[in-house]
Amino acid sequence: GQQLNQSPQSMFIQEGEDVSMNCTSSSIFNTWLWYKQEPGEGPVLLIALYKAGELTSNGRLTAQFGITRKDSFLNISASIPSDVGIYFCAGQLSEAAGNKLTFGGGTRVLVKP
Amino acid sequence: NAGVMQNPRHLVRRRGQEARLRCSPMKGHSHVYWYRQLPEEGLKFMVYLQKENIIDESGMPKERFSAEFPKEGPSILRIQQVVRGDSAAYFCASLGGLNEKLFFGSGTQLSVL
Repeated sequence: GQQLNQSPQSMFIQEGEDVSMNCTSSSIFNTWLWYKQEPGEGPVLLIALYKAGELTSNGRLTAQFGITRKDSFLNISASIPSDVGIYFCAGQLSEAAGNKLTFGGGTRVLVKP
Repeated sequence: NAGVMQNPRHLVRRRGQEARLRCSPMKGHSHVYWYRQLPEEGLKFMVYLQKENIIDESGMPKERFSAEFPKEGPSILRIQQVVRGDSAAYFCASLGGLNEKLFFGSGTQLSVL
């Protein structure tokens, strides 16, 4: 089945830094989504990407859908403490697949001690 | 407008007991998805239901697990004769139509003693 690999698995941020994470797949997806999950909560949608090459921003977040449709990256600019959490990429094959999502393993963003 | 509501938030069961997890989708949403999340992992698709119908149960174990979404009332994920390996966070998500975005509930954390 499809597999999404996220890297890095975890990272430490310092306030004000830009951070970047990415997601690669062995299969093509028609839609890429980025979610953030905080402890004890469900994932919250951050950005949705629908076209290969698409670059989309949501405040300090920017994500791009790779040209090959097998990868995506998420950037967070000028990080702040509340950016801490787990960021998941998710791929969707098509509407015909019923919006079934395949999730990556997550990138854990932590604050530098 | 209430979001996706799941209860209970935490459920403790002994091995061999039954677990019933409930999910009320967002108002007006007729599509429900169940996902399971093991510690330190991403979410894994289990089952997709529309009112009174199971559309895709390809991610659900063949034995002990069942799901329903009756005409009236919440969707129920039922796990019979629970084992320790069933301990996980179970998330429900809903959407109103296939062109819309998926909204997740806060999950039910199942612990099997």
